[in-house]
Amino acid sequence: DIVMTQSPDSLAVSLGERATINCKSSQNVLYSSNNKNFLAWYQQKPGQPPKLLFSWAYTRESGVPDRFSGSGSGTDFTLTISSLQAEDVAVYYCQQHYTTPWTFGQGTKVEIK
Amino acid sequence: QVQLQESGPRLLKPSETLSLTCTLSGGSISPYYWSWIRQPPGKGLEWIGYIHYTGSTNYNPSLKGRVTMSVDTSRNQFSLRLNSVTAADTAVYYCARDPTDCSSTSCYTGWFDPWGRGTLVTVSS
Repeated sequence: DIVMTQSPDSLAVSLGERATINCKSSQNVLYSSNNKNFLAWYQQKPGQPPKLLFSWAYTRESGVPDRFSGSGSGTDFTLTISSLQAEDVAVYYCQQHYTTPWTFGQGTKVEIK
Repeated sequence: QVQLQESGPRLLKPSETLSLTCTLSGGSISPYYWSWIRQPPGKGLEWIGYIHYTGSTNYNPSLKGRVTMSVDTSRNQFSLRLNSVTAADTAVYYCARDPTDCSSTSCYTGWFDPWGRGTLVTVSS
């Protein structure tokens, strides 16, 4: 199985400041045939199901604010919130869909400092 | 707008069979893949498996052959069965659609959107 490791496990950021979450896969998830990274990002707020933020590592879903951005390729990926807002408090997960079983990172909890 | 709703018994005893159904509204079961994902209380996400609208399946080997999925296109439903449950199977169970992205030669899937609201299934004697 591909192991997804996120860092840090939690972070506290002041309102308006940048939050950066890292995700590392144990194997390359860049598929050479289409030159796409098989990596998704989700946001989960308390008591809610996860919400898809990005597919293909950095393709933002409709309705996701542009303060959120995804980057990276191969085995190393980053989710950045450029200016943290109160409504961004959540747990964020990365997930690979390069090969089954699809696997998730352990999650990163983002809080307000 | 596609919406998913999980339903089924929420309290089981060890060794019983978990049985959940996901009902789709606002869309069609075809031509998509549909997944079940679970989340133990306070923990992370685990993909259980998927079923295609044609009935083909792919299960997570971690569940050691205890999983069966089925689909009923006439009712816009798909289902999960997990047998021989233990306390370790206590979790919120989500159903979700696997979107598909096709090029001229291939189609790709494996991410999840949208998700159902989830249902907590507790296994306790």
